[in-house]
Amino acid sequence: KAGVTQTPRYLIKTRGQQVTLSCSPISGHRSVSWYQQTPGQGLQFLFEYFSETQRNKGNFPGRFSGRQFSNSRSEMNVSTLELGDSALYLCASSPTDSLTYGYTFGSGTRLTVV
Amino acid sequence: QKEVEQDPGPLSVPEGAIVSLNCTYSNSAFQYFMWYRQYSRKGPELLMYTYSSGNKEDGRFTAQVDKSSKYISLFIRDSQPSDSATYLCAMSGNTGGFKTIFGAGTRLFVKA
Repeated sequence: KAGVTQTPRYLIKTRGQQVTLSCSPISGHRSVSWYQQTPGQGLQFLFEYFSETQRNKGNFPGRFSGRQFSNSRSEMNVSTLELGDSALYLCASSPTDSLTYGYTFGSGTRLTVV
Repeated sequence: QKEVEQDPGPLSVPEGAIVSLNCTYSNSAFQYFMWYRQYSRKGPELLMYTYSSGNKEDGRFTAQVDKSSKYISLFIRDSQPSDSATYLCAMSGNTGGFKTIFGAGTRLFVKA
């Protein structure tokens, strides 16, 4: 059974650019969540999608957005990149929700903004 | 004050030692408690899952939840060098949106 797949693994972008990250959840999982991980702040919740609808949202600015497709694959987009956006972005999937099943995480996309 | 507090360590122990990792939290709405293990350059993996209070054991790992004290623990018996990783506590509940909140993670080193 394939795990959660995130692409690309590494990205280097320039301040002001935008970036799109992709996540393919485990087959059959309908909930996809995104987290930002930094040494100073740890894992910070960005948003969760379920059946193509955003179900929960964290406290990030509007520059961070996401979407989910009918096959449960998800993308997140960050516009007008800032140096502080450099982080590991993790995607996690669950069958229906993380409360009763916990998450299965991907290996993440390491974004560096220069 | 953060909702979930976890000492970042690092914690260094000799092989075979019993390891105790802990988290405290402030939101009494948390009902689901988890421990994740994260190796370098990997995403976290779910290690233990507990609903409400009590203990849960799985091999060398024991998770404890004390809701009255808002305190959770993970014990690792007979620790191995392969246990060297970052351990993150996580918890969730109906907190005005079902989000999972993570602790900062404790870096553990088990020396052979």
